[in-house]
Amino acid sequence: GAVVSQHPSWVICKSGTSVKIECRSLDFQATTMFWYRQFPKQSLMLMATSNEGSKATYEQGVEKDKFLINHASLTLSTLTVTSAHPEDSSFYICSAKMGEGRPSYNEQFFGPGTRLTVL
Amino acid sequence: ILNVEQSPQSLHVQEGDSTNFTCSFPSSNFYALHWYRWETAKSPEALFVMTLNGDEKKKGRISATLNTKEGYSYLYIKGSQPEDSATYLCAFRASNYQLIWGAGTKLIIKP
Repeated sequence: GAVVSQHPSWVICKSGTSVKIECRSLDFQATTMFWYRQFPKQSLMLMATSNEGSKATYEQGVEKDKFLINHASLTLSTLTVTSAHPEDSSFYICSAKMGEGRPSYNEQFFGPGTRLTVL
Repeated sequence: ILNVEQSPQSLHVQEGDSTNFTCSFPSSNFYALHWYRWETAKSPEALFVMTLNGDEKKKGRISATLNTKEGYSYLYIKGSQPEDSATYLCAFRASNYQLIWGAGTKLIIKP
């Protein structure tokens, strides 16, 4: 149980285009989802926290107009990198939390990540 | 600025040998310490959540200890096997629920 999928697993795009990454909780309802990015040999950096049905909360330094997050249902959150540039090339990974009251409430379940390369 | 350090950055261990590595974190505003195991091309998988100073947790051949007063946790692997090859991440959760990640220790088991 508690499986999170991400799609696509990798994507290559041209500079200036937009890329959408999907994060799905396959066997549970995720009231909260998190989006991280990771540069080589560095820590996971939280970009934003999204709660179903409300606007995402972005971390300091993360441009909300560039990284659009939508959490329209309890099983799906999307991250759209708008007008991507080479410096946006990175590894993006999502995680999801179950609702309050569930035994694993404090645990984050991760997707396998998406490698984005912007040419 | 809260910082979480993991050492070493990478580690080569002979199959059958035991090993350990460290996660250092702030000694104040502690709420919990998480350990994850991340195999290549897979999702990070939770190993332990530790909340009490002196806590020791075990899962098969893997165990972890916690010292919140001095701000460190050790992860031990006994009798390493090839399937233990992965990156081991720790994350410090502060009392305000902020989660800070270490950069990980990449463990490679040599057959």
